[in-house]
Amino acid sequence: AQSVTQLGSHVSVSEGALVLLRCNYSSSVPPYLFWYVQYPNQGLQLLLKYTSAATLVKGINGFEAEFKKSETSFHLTKPSAHMSDAAEYFCAVSDRGNDMRFGAGTRLTVKP
Amino acid sequence: DAGVIQSPRHEVTEMGQEVTLRCKPISGHNSLFWYRQTMMRGLELLIYFNNNVPIDDSGMPEDRFSAKMPNASFSTLKIQPSEPRDSAVYFCASGMRGAGSYNEQFFGPGTRLTVL
Repeated sequence: AQSVTQLGSHVSVSEGALVLLRCNYSSSVPPYLFWYVQYPNQGLQLLLKYTSAATLVKGINGFEAEFKKSETSFHLTKPSAHMSDAAEYFCAVSDRGNDMRFGAGTRLTVKP
Repeated sequence: DAGVIQSPRHEVTEMGQEVTLRCKPISGHNSLFWYRQTMMRGLELLIYFNNNVPIDDSGMPEDRFSAKMPNASFSTLKIQPSEPRDSAVYFCASGMRGAGSYNEQFFGPGTRLTVL
């Protein structure tokens, strides 16, 4: 069965600094990969998704993620953090035969 | 489309009372998921339906929890009797499952349940 592991339950960066949230997946078939964001007191919103087209995927709010098959990774990055990026981020994986599985989440804190 | 609709947004009840959470999925979606989120356990899948049929309820914590989907546009999650440890945010999500889909899920805003 497919699964994802998010490295680091909490990440703290300064405003303007690079954001890097790590996600590694496990899947026996080509996966579909997703990043969701959850702002305080809200539901999960899709940031971006990889569906086997381009390996570098651009999402909303300046985020992007790169699918690296050799490393089984799908890390989320943003060149310059903004205070409004403070939220919890979830990586998720699915494939043609199975439903989505979520990681444990990474809470991003942005310091002024 | 209005997205996934959940009601109520907030529910405060006393231990022992019955609680019913409601969800209206996005029109045209054929799968529906109920999740629970707490600080201790994170996001947990409780049950999911495909074409209104329950497929996997292995995440339902105990017999006090039950879920129904009488038609493609409505689902309920019921807790009877409720206990303080059921306090959490409950999310409903819907999506398309099947050939050609990515199994992506769309989440509702959640219901924050507090059991006193």
